[in-house]
Amino acid sequence: NAGVTQTPKFQVLKTGQSMTLQCAQDMNHNSMYWYRQDPGMGLRLIYYSASEGTTDKGEVPNGYNVSRLNKREFSLRLESAAPSQTSVYFCASSLEGYSGGGLAKNIQYFGAGTRLSVL
Amino acid sequence: AQKITQTQPGMFVQEKEAVTLDCTYDTSDPSYGLFWYKQPSSGEMIFLIYQGSYDQQNATEGRYSLNFQKARKSANLVISASQLGDSAMYFCAMRESKTSYDKVIFGPGTSLSVIP
Repeated sequence: NAGVTQTPKFQVLKTGQSMTLQCAQDMNHNSMYWYRQDPGMGLRLIYYSASEGTTDKGEVPNGYNVSRLNKREFSLRLESAAPSQTSVYFCASSLEGYSGGGLAKNIQYFGAGTRLSVL
Repeated sequence: AQKITQTQPGMFVQEKEAVTLDCTYDTSDPSYGLFWYKQPSSGEMIFLIYQGSYDQQNATEGRYSLNFQKARKSANLVISASQLGDSAMYFCAMRESKTSYDKVIFGPGTSLSVIP
């Protein structure tokens, strides 16, 4: 059982180049997320998909687009990379997309991360 | 304002000793959840332990326990009998229920080094 798989693990881009980060989960989770991690700032949510067919902006969406290709896959695209997008990117998934009326123990499980450098 | 505060950027502990990693949080939501994740040098984020705001008892998972003090809004992680493999970054995180999606807010993290 692989859990959450991200590709690639490392990437170097030049300013203005585009690329897509891939994420797939095999846990039959409904919800998926993209975070970025910068030193001293913890993780910040870029985009999320509460369920198949829906996507929404998180805390820092500018410069990114996402596609929920199917229930398993959620990709993150940088159309024109900038040095400010140098970061470590994490994909995560969870069973449910929202807590609803009760607070469920809804754990987000993470991929191994993609280390991206934009020169 | 910071929702999650981890005041210890770096911590050292002797192998086999216990260590407490601090976490305070800020929320007006009466229903919320608290998490701890571990990030070793290899980079992956590993879920450790969860505490719900209405849970009557402090959460425990093996050598990990959560010292939950609701009135103080603190959720400290206690690692007993530290091992060299515990050396990692540790992140405290919170989920509030009054959001339209499963919004989890992460703290800045604490780096733990276990000394042989």
